[in-house]
Amino acid sequence: AQKITQTQPGMFVQEKEAVTLDCTYDTSDPSYGLFWYKQPSSGEMIFLIYQGSYDQQNATEGRYSLNFQKARKSANLVISASQLGDSAMYFCAMRENTGTASKLTFGTGTRLQVTL
Amino acid sequence: EPEVTQTPSHQVTQMGQEVILRCVPISNHLYFYWYRQILGQKVEFLVSFYNNEISEKSEIFDDQFSVERPDGSNFTLKIRSTKLEDSAMYFCASSPASGATYEQYFGPGTRLTVT
Repeated sequence: AQKITQTQPGMFVQEKEAVTLDCTYDTSDPSYGLFWYKQPSSGEMIFLIYQGSYDQQNATEGRYSLNFQKARKSANLVISASQLGDSAMYFCAMRENTGTASKLTFGTGTRLQVTL
Repeated sequence: EPEVTQTPSHQVTQMGQEVILRCVPISNHLYFYWYRQILGQKVEFLVSFYNNEISEKSEIFDDQFSVERPDGSNFTLKIRSTKLEDSAMYFCASSPASGATYEQYFGPGTRLTVT
């Protein structure tokens, strides 16, 4: 089974509207972290937001918030008031407490296009 | 703010040649990683490095790959005999700790093109 599933290959949103990017995950580890990264066309990976498995509240960072539903194993990214600069690939990733160094496992990404 | 740096930003090489991709992790970080992203695909883990040795590697990281921390600041990925399918963006990352709650800080990537 895939560890991280992003079912939306592409999404469109109008400027100033909110958009939700879906992410579900699969782990049996009780301690894990969920991360969202933005990858613009220039290629770099930009960290957006983090949610820990034991966090009681949903993470927020400015216009980004994470809708964390632990029982459903979902960690959807919500971008409010979309801007043209938000057009990019968005990757959901998970880090488990496995191995010495705990690698990140990424989903396949969602390409977001913000329109006027 | 400290950041991970990578050089070169773009490397073009011929099939069969050796390449070395260089990374300077954040100075007080202890865990180092290489990831690969083939064009249009997801980011894949290659290898993690801690305490001067490999702590985990993926099935992609075969005998043609090696990593080294030659001094206190650099972290390198060597591909001994490049193949066409090694063409990808290679990301270095570092982390202060290994726990699941710690962020991994990514460098800007090196785009490797094998012709």
